[in-house]
Amino acid sequence: DSGVTQTPKHLITATGQRVTLRCSPRSGDLSVYWYQQSLDQGLQFLIQYYNGEERAKGNILERFSAQQFPDLHSELNLSSLELGDSALYFCASSVTGGAGEDEQFFGPGTRLTVL
Amino acid sequence: GESVGLHLPTLSVQEGDNSIINCAYSNSASDYFIWYKQESGKGPQFIIDIRSNMDKRQGQRVTVLLNKTVKHLSLQIAATQPGDSAVYFCAERGISNFGNEKLTFGTGTRLTIIP
Repeated sequence: DSGVTQTPKHLITATGQRVTLRCSPRSGDLSVYWYQQSLDQGLQFLIQYYNGEERAKGNILERFSAQQFPDLHSELNLSSLELGDSALYFCASSVTGGAGEDEQFFGPGTRLTVL
Repeated sequence: GESVGLHLPTLSVQEGDNSIINCAYSNSASDYFIWYKQESGKGPQFIIDIRSNMDKRQGQRVTVLLNKTVKHLSLQIAATQPGDSAVYFCAERGISNFGNEKLTFGTGTRLTIIP
């Protein structure tokens, strides 16, 4: 158990809908990272928040957004969902904000299925 | 969360033998590399890392080798055990299109330990 929690574990929805994925980092970690793992793209970095502010951005679609709240939990919002958004979405957390040297601890993921 | 059924390179190794997993990275400016292990039903887990000013680093039963000349990274697992069966990803730290640091993951290799 990494100490990172994600809810829900599974999510099934329809095209055009909007969903929110939630992540609680390990106690004491200030950074939260979101990743998408799909069949054809592997593990892709989406976005990072550090202590409530956006810190780094990957190839995140404009239909996707995220935020980190004062209690440091984070939400990833996916809107106007398409079939291709079906994937596993992982959250990771780390103590500080360095993308690499600060070990990232991954949650168990949320499996999103868009029908 | 479960491992995505990617069409990954696969490697089967007899229990007790050594295994070598290879990874080619893309960015010659990458300065930090990490190996992750992803077991079925879990998120990626940090195994070992190496900075670009090193060519070898050892952990418990694992060794990472870095060849910057050919942009190649390898993970050696000694005396493999059934619990080593997983998907293994390499990741490199570089600069994203947005000018910030980010980790880029390889496609992964599925290692199966044969009892």
